[in-house]
Amino acid sequence: NAGVTQTPKFRILKIGQSMTLQCTQDMNHNYMYWYRQDPGMGLKLIYYSVGAGITDKGEVPNGYNVSRSTTEDFPLRLELAAPSQTSVYFCASSDGTGGEKLFFGSGTQLSVL
Amino acid sequence: ELKVEQNPLFLSMQEGKNYTIYCNYSTTSDRLYWYRQDPGKSLESLFVLLSNGAVKQEGRLMASLDTKARLSTLHITAAVHDLSATYFCAGNEQKTSYDKVIFGPGTSLSVIP
Repeated sequence: NAGVTQTPKFRILKIGQSMTLQCTQDMNHNYMYWYRQDPGMGLKLIYYSVGAGITDKGEVPNGYNVSRSTTEDFPLRLELAAPSQTSVYFCASSDGTGGEKLFFGSGTQLSVL
Repeated sequence: ELKVEQNPLFLSMQEGKNYTIYCNYSTTSDRLYWYRQDPGKSLESLFVLLSNGAVKQEGRLMASLDTKARLSTLHITAAVHDLSATYFCAGNEQKTSYDKVIFGPGTSLSVIP
């Protein structure tokens, strides 16, 4: 069982470039989340989704976009990358029925230079 | 908006000693999570606490929840080196139709011989 899969694991971007971080889960979970973790810090919620076609902003959404066309996939789009977006990005999912834990992907380490 | 705080942020403790990590949250949260993160790794779920007075134990870790005080604790008994990691608590911010999980800053624990 793969769980939550993120790609790529590492990426270096130049300022102003764009990219998409991929996240897919095979647990048929309704809820999916994107968090960023800056060095030595906690996790900040970027965007989340409660089902296909439904997304909402988290704590730090500026500079990012998401879409949820299927239950399985929740890509995160960075437009016009900035050094402030250098971080580790984690995707997570849960079944959303209440009392459930989040399952995390292995993370994507992104550097914007 | 839900804010989650942890105390202490850094903890160095000797093997065999006991200690408690505190997690305070600002508004009503109907559940409280504890996660563990090893350096350079993803997050692993430890506990999900669903109601006032809930207590869960796994090995040398015990978590409790007091919803009236908006406080959760993670108690470490007779610490061993393998418990060295960063521990995060997280709460559930409820919206009209769905909710989102907000994390605290984490407590970095080092267990030394």
